[in-house]
This record gives sequence, C-alpha cells and structure tokens, in this order.
Amino acid sequence: GENVEQHPSTLSVQEGDSAVIKCTYSDSASNYFPWYKQELGKRPQLIIDIRSNVGEKKDQRIAVTLNKTAKHFSLHITETQPEDSAVYFCAASGTSYGKLTFGQGTILTVHP
Amino acid sequence: SQTIHQWPATLVQPVGSPLSLECTVEGTSNPNLYWYRQAAGRGLQLLFYSVGIGQISSEVPQNLSASRPQDRQFILSSKKLLLSDSGFYLCAWSPRVDNEQFFGPGTRLTVL
Repeated sequence: GENVEQHPSTLSVQEGDSAVIKCTYSDSASNYFPWYKQELGKRPQLIIDIRSNVGEKKDQRIAVTLNKTAKHFSLHITETQPEDSAVYFCAASGTSYGKLTFGQGTILTVHP
Repeated sequence: SQTIHQWPATLVQPVGSPLSLECTVEGTSNPNLYWYRQAAGRGLQLLFYSVGIGQISSEVPQNLSASRPQDRQFILSSKKLLLSDSGFYLCAWSPRVDNEQFFGPGTRLTVL
C-alpha cells in the first residue's frame, strides 16, 4: 500500500519567514495530493491540493509543488503569521476509492 | 451546501463497555465515507471506508466495526472497548473518487 513520509516533524520560524514542509510517497499510481491544517482540538481543514498533471499550484501565501519523478511534494508558506501555527498534514491518494494516506504531521510554530 | 455532523462530541467510557459513534452528511448523495482515528493529536489512521450502503472496507484489524445503514449515515461501533481505543475519531466524506475529503468535527473518546 501507499506510504507517506513527512518532514520535519516540528518547525519553528519567526513571523514573516517562509516555511517549507516536505513529503514523499511510495505509490507511483497516486495522483491526488492534499494538504490539511489542523488547529488544536479542531478538525483538519483542506488548505490546498494538487493533482498529478500539475507541477505547482499557488493560493495567496500558500503554494504546493509536486515532483512525480522523485515522488515528493512540498508545501510552501510565505510571510508566515502567528495564526499559521498549527499541525500540517500531507496526504496522497491513488486508485482505490479515494482513500487518503496521511503523513505523520508537522507542528509549525510561528513566533511573533 | 454540504455539512457533516458527528456525535457525540466527547465521550468517556469504561473498559469493556460498548460504543456507537454516528456520522451523517447533508446536502449530497452517494458520498464516499471514511472513519479515521487520531491518537495523541498526530497522525490520522484510516479505519474504515464505504462507497455505498452496506459496503464497508476495513483498513486495519481491530476492536471496532462500521456500518452504513443509510446513504448518508456512517456508524462506528465496538462491543467491548479497550484502553487503546481512546482517541479522536473523525468521520470524513468525499463526493467521488480522488476528490478532496471533508472532515466532521470529531468525537473525542476516552476509555478509562
């Protein structure tokens, strides 16, 4: 089955800096890669996603890049703000009923 | 618009007691439905998924079972809870294969 590795497990930045979280996946058939943000005690919220026919996608301060050959994808947050502090999860979905395999999460802390 | 409900929001149960968690989706038909468990605030583990009424697939062997008695209702059950069943249980729905998943508010279960 699919295996998703996410790094780093924790990330601490100063407000205004950029943050990058990286994930690798094992199943070359995976074709959908979402990123979720989860605040303490809340449900995961989808913040951006990318499909395998696209190399990069951007939404304001958030961008995701995908390298299908290397089987890795990354989340980029620019001009970080304290409210960006949360746990971020990457995931990958292949051909089996839209099941998502999640990475272990990254705790992002943005210091004012 | 679509909404997803879960109840109860929190639950404290003794070891050996039964469990029933309910998830319902409004505003859509024939969704794919998923149950996840999240332990210690990190890592989402897929427990069950369903692509239709009465169709349940289990991802991991465990003390839990799932049922889908109606198109937009998904139930997670156990006959006898274990301490290791404690966690944050999240239900999610997806409109079709390989599309984004939307999470419910979750149920926080503590087994004592």
